[in-house]
Amino acid sequence: GQQVMQIPQYQHVQEGEDFTRYCNSSTTLSNTQWYKQRPGGHPVFLIQLVKSGEVKKQKRLTFQFGEAKKNSSLHITATQTTDVGTYFCAGPLSGNTPLVFGKGTRLSVIA
Amino acid sequence: SQTIHQWPATLVQPVGSPLSLECTVEGTSNPNLYWYRQAAGRGLQLLFYSVGIGQISSEVPQNLSASRPQDRQFILSSKKLLLSDSGFYLCAWSPQYEQYFGPGTRLTVT
Repeated sequence: GQQVMQIPQYQHVQEGEDFTRYCNSSTTLSNTQWYKQRPGGHPVFLIQLVKSGEVKKQKRLTFQFGEAKKNSSLHITATQTTDVGTYFCAGPLSGNTPLVFGKGTRLSVIA
Repeated sequence: SQTIHQWPATLVQPVGSPLSLECTVEGTSNPNLYWYRQAAGRGLQLLFYSVGIGQISSEVPQNLSASRPQDRQFILSSKKLLLSDSGFYLCAWSPQYEQYFGPGTRLTVT
């Protein structure tokens, strides 16, 4: 079946360092989404990318959709302790099928 | 604005007991609704989704069931809980592509 993969599942960074997470799909995605789950909380929708090569920014977070629409990335500039959490990427095969979530990457920021 | 409610927030149930978790969405009509389970420190496992009243699709065969008796109500049930049913149960709704999650129910089966 379709898979969305995120590797590694855990990452520790020093506060102020940059952080990049890649997400790969075994099939072409109609869109890709990123979610953040704070410890003890629920996933929160961050962004959706639809177009090939699309780049979107949210303050220190930069999201990019691959040209082939099979991979995406999340880049955080100068991480802060508020960035701690698990970041999930997700995507559907088509607009009407359920999202397939990656296993997530848990980000720890060392102050 | 739309809001999604789940209750209870936490639940401790003995093995073999029944389960009923409720999710309701306000401020929208005919949403797509989803039930996920998240084991401790793990990813999101899709259990059921619904595109309309009485329409339920199951993603993982197990001892759980779901029902959608009303447009904005989604219920997750079990007749007999197993230890392996412990986890964080999340309901989500979707207007089109993105999903919005409820606060979740932490279920511990003892």
